[in-house]
Amino acid sequence: DTAVSQTPKYLVTQMGNDKSIKCEQNLGHDTMYWYKQDSKKFLKIMFSYNNKELIINETVPNRFSPKSPDKAHLNLHINSLELGDSAVYFCASSQEREQYFGPGTRLTVT
Amino acid sequence: AQSVTQLGSHVSVSEGALVLLRCNYSSSVPPYLFWYVQYPNQGLQLLLKYTTGATLVKGINGFEAEFKKSETSFHLTKPSAHMSDAAEYFCAVKVWGNEKLTFGTGTRLTIIP
Repeated sequence: DTAVSQTPKYLVTQMGNDKSIKCEQNLGHDTMYWYKQDSKKFLKIMFSYNNKELIINETVPNRFSPKSPDKAHLNLHINSLELGDSAVYFCASSQEREQYFGPGTRLTVT
Repeated sequence: AQSVTQLGSHVSVSEGALVLLRCNYSSSVPPYLFWYVQYPNQGLQLLLKYTTGATLVKGINGFEAEFKKSETSFHLTKPSAHMSDAAEYFCAVKVWGNEKLTFGTGTRLTIIP
């Protein structure tokens, strides 16, 4: 009964490809997030959705597009992948204050 | 805007010794403060949080932290380090009405046998 799950766990792809990462939470939370963790472990928020509405959109390239079909799911689609997109991407969810994180998706662009 | 600063990107302590990881925050309004732990190749796990009330908060695995408003600090401590405590630790801050959680740059804790 995983709280926040992500698929896939690992993703290796070539530059220029388009890929998606899926996230699901079974906590009944209203708010979900995408974070990027770079090679130096720095964590930065990318997007946040509250009940399917976009509420945070940090300075992220337009190639990144989040989609929330319902409040339990938040997917991340990335177009025209670049070497610099290589990172670990974390999904999270929250109801009030603390956030609960998924296991991460390690994206490697070659 | 809120921010956190973690002093020391790497901290090494001997097994059984005191663990002290430092975090200072900046916020124009009362903050909510968190410590997360990340074990290798895993996601982030919430260790403890301060929202309101008691300034000394206890978390999982024997960790605790004290919110000191006068020092704008939220340092993480554990009386006796265990080998299993080796991990990356992140301090984070949030304010009421803003969904954005801002993380520090992390502190890697190494335990020396």
